[in-house]
Amino acid sequence: KAGVTQTPRYLIKTRGQQVTLSCSPISGHRSVSWYQQTPGQGLQFLFEYFSETQRNKGNFPGRFSGRQFSNSRSEMNVSTLELGDSALYLCASSLASGADGYTFGSGTRLTVV
Amino acid sequence: DQQVKQNSPSLSVQEGRISILNCDYTNSMFDYFLWYKKYPAEGPTFLISISSIKDKNEDGRFTVFLNKSAKHLSLHIVPSQPGDSAVYFCAAPSPSSGNTPLVFGKGTRLSVIA
Repeated sequence: KAGVTQTPRYLIKTRGQQVTLSCSPISGHRSVSWYQQTPGQGLQFLFEYFSETQRNKGNFPGRFSGRQFSNSRSEMNVSTLELGDSALYLCASSLASGADGYTFGSGTRLTVV
Repeated sequence: DQQVKQNSPSLSVQEGRISILNCDYTNSMFDYFLWYKKYPAEGPTFLISISSIKDKNEDGRFTVFLNKSAKHLSLHIVPSQPGDSAVYFCAAPSPSSGNTPLVFGKGTRLSVIA
């Protein structure tokens, strides 16, 4: 079966711009979680969506937002990009809410210049 | 506050020898722990887990040991192979948030030298 698909794989944006990243979970998975990976901080939790509802949110500024559609696909948006937003953004899907049975996508590498 | 700590950013081991990756945690409420392996340009993949009621879990070449009193766990890979070269993350589900999110360590880059 198809894995977790994240698009685009690579992205270069300019400071101040906004960006939207997409995540298509494994078929049947209803939970999608987003993480940011940076060299200095490891993987940090952004938010989790389950059945179109945000279940948990990490400690990130309001410039980071997300949503989930009825088909479980999820998008995250970052507005007013800063250089420090350069990172690998990973999404993980699972059948139910929670981290059990996470399957991660390959990530979107965002570079802010 | 880093609840899960991997204090060794990197480790080099010769092929065939044992690799030991360490992880310390501060939150005694963690129920279980997971190890993930990550290759460049790929997402992390689940490797092995251990419940807090156990002190050892084995899966093929991979064994995880848990010392609750020391709040320490370790991943042993025996024998190490070049394909094991990757970044390894220790993680635990946050007990205060319905087991999401996973709290990750910063990772240890393992290099297995042929």
